[in-house]
Amino acid sequence: QSVLTQPPSASGTPGQRVTISCSGSSSNIERNYVYWYQQVPGTAPKLLIYRDNQRPSGVPDRFSGSKSGASASLAISGLRSEDEADYYCAAWHDSLSAHVVFGGGTKLTVL
Amino acid sequence: EVQLVESGGGLVQPGGSLRLSCAASGFTFNTYSMHWVRQAPGKGLEWVSYIIGSSRTIYYADSVKGRFTVSRDNVKNSLYLQMNSLRAEDTAIYYCVRDFYGDYVPDALDIWGQGTMVTVSS
Repeated sequence: QSVLTQPPSASGTPGQRVTISCSGSSSNIERNYVYWYQQVPGTAPKLLIYRDNQRPSGVPDRFSGSKSGASASLAISGLRSEDEADYYCAAWHDSLSAHVVFGGGTKLTVL
Repeated sequence: EVQLVESGGGLVQPGGSLRLSCAASGFTFNTYSMHWVRQAPGKGLEWVSYIIGSSRTIYYADSVKGRFTVSRDNVKNSLYLQMNSLRAEDTAIYYCVRDFYGDYVPDALDIWGQGTMVTVSS
């Protein structure tokens, strides 16, 4: 059971806009930054969004992040076949036992 | 080219020990904080440990606290993970990861190694 909750799957057709949600708590998402990582099966994860809504250089502006309260979302517009991957949200969880927490991951299928 | 290369994985019996290494290149290693993140076969990502450049701040996941020890050698540009009292549930790919901004609090995990597989089985 992950501290951050993501839907296990999502899907869309090419060109469509899809969103992936990430639900947390006051100990993580609400007062700390959210990060999103993309993992194509068989490869290492890649940083997609940092500090809630910032894109590293090289990440297309089709990818965007947002946050409200203890929840965050990743939006992908103009869906492409190469976007088919697993997506993970993450945040710093500042409690008695401080640690980084990941969501369980969302498998995105491009139909 | 910025690169992280893990080594040291393999098959170990329950209760055994293993030491993972990560060789960093292409950036000023001592100015960056580093993480270990693992992924069990067919499962999601699990954060393991974090160490800042000076080694003065270190964090561990509860699942490995007391069994794993992270360290770094800034002269050799290397990160290490000493894993003791290994259990079957420690079986995973272990990734060495750079933190782009992190200091006392971790931040963006921006560069990932290719991972090294650790299998704990009798």
